Amino acid sequence: AQKITQTQPGMFVQEKEAVTLDCTYDTSDQSYGLFWYKQPSSGEMIFLIYQGSYDEQNATEGRYSLNFQKARKSANLVISASQLGDSAMYFCAMRELGAGNNRKLIWGLGTSLAVNP
Amino acid sequence: GAVVSQHPSRVICKSGTSVKIECRSLDFQATTMFWYRQFPKQSLMLMATSNEGSKATYEQGVEKDKFLINHASLTLSTLTVTSAHPEDSSFYICSAKEWDTQYFGPGTRLTVL
Repeated sequence: AQKITQTQPGMFVQEKEAVTLDCTYDTSDQSYGLFWYKQPSSGEMIFLIYQGSYDEQNATEGRYSLNFQKARKSANLVISASQLGDSAMYFCAMRELGAGNNRKLIWGLGTSLAVNP
Repeated sequence: GAVVSQHPSRVICKSGTSVKIECRSLDFQATTMFWYRQFPKQSLMLMATSNEGSKATYEQGVEKDKFLINHASLTLSTLTVTSAHPEDSSFYICSAKEWDTQYFGPGTRLTVL
């Protein structure tokens, strides 16, 4: 069965430093997608970054990059130059394969990130 | 980027009443939308997958007669919580799929008294 594991319930980082949020996944599929979302206290889920299983290069979006290690089945999120506004819950998710459009996301339990001034 | 709106953002109702939540994709068409429920400090729990013009697909354990989903157009899906009870109080959040990515609405916090 497909599964996402986020082992860090909470993380602290100093403002302007980089932080890595861990995510490992389990799947027997050869083709899949990995996502990271940010959920601030307001509740909205904000899409951050996507990595396809066949992408040879690590995905990057501004200060976000995804450290994709396929053999280890890990997809860690790296946030560079942390800002106070980065304090939020971060969820890793994997797209399940299936027929048509009903491809569900499998979610991790999330990591709460606090950025200290 | 893709924008999804959700209305209302917050609702308080009496036990036994029904509540309708709307989810709209504002700048794209979404044949598929998803409805989630989230308890405090927990991850998202998928309730159902909504496809335009067809019946929703409910996850195991989710009562379809309790949580009515209608996806009448390519930009609108609605979730109606029928005969709401205090245990239905939760944060409900929808998403709309564009290509391979789900974009989420801001969520609706439902409180049933």
